[in-house]
Amino acid sequence: SQTIHQWPATLVQPVGSPLSLECTVEGTSNPNLYWYRQAAGRGLQLLFYSVGIGQISSEVPQNLSASRPQDRQFILSSKKLLLSDSGFYLCAWAHGGRRNIQYFGAGTRLSVL
Amino acid sequence: AQSVTQLDSQVPVFEEAPVELRCNYSSSVSVYLFWYVQYPNQGLQLLLKYLSGSTLVKGINGFEAEFNKSQTSFHLRKPSVHISDTAEYFCAVSPYNNNDMRFGAGTRLTVKP
Repeated sequence: SQTIHQWPATLVQPVGSPLSLECTVEGTSNPNLYWYRQAAGRGLQLLFYSVGIGQISSEVPQNLSASRPQDRQFILSSKKLLLSDSGFYLCAWAHGGRRNIQYFGAGTRLSVL
Repeated sequence: AQSVTQLDSQVPVFEEAPVELRCNYSSSVSVYLFWYVQYPNQGLQLLLKYLSGSTLVKGINGFEAEFNKSQTSFHLRKPSVHISDTAEYFCAVSPYNNNDMRFGAGTRLTVKP
């Protein structure tokens, strides 16, 4: 069966520091991968998605970037965090193809102070 | 483009009462429809999905939803809720012709004793 791992679960970072959140998927190959942000009391905002190694699409211009160095690894980064980057970050994967259902990781709670 | 509207941001109900969480969508193409549940500080878990066939779909934890194409709705129902159903619920749509998925803003269901 497929599993998705996301870490760390909680992160407190000062403003201006770098960020690296990692997401890995097991039990499948060539998945579609997604990064979402969920601000307090709000819905999900799609940040990035990837359909293959090195292929990243950005939905919203911002202080963040994403990379996919391996087939089942998706990394969310920032060189300098802003206060507004605080939130709950969720990674998700889906089978390629039309009837994709997205499966989510447990999320990372990021607090930028 | 697709959009999803969850008509109620918060729904308080008493234990063992029935509940309906409303979802309307807008799309120029045919879509698949989903409901996800999010417990506090966790990722999203798929509750149920409509891909094709019967418009009444049953999911986990006793929930069901009905797809109404003419009203572009996909309301979620449960005849008798439990305290453990307290969570955030997200409606989502994904068009037939690509891997995109759009989420509603969420409905916070609070079940009171």
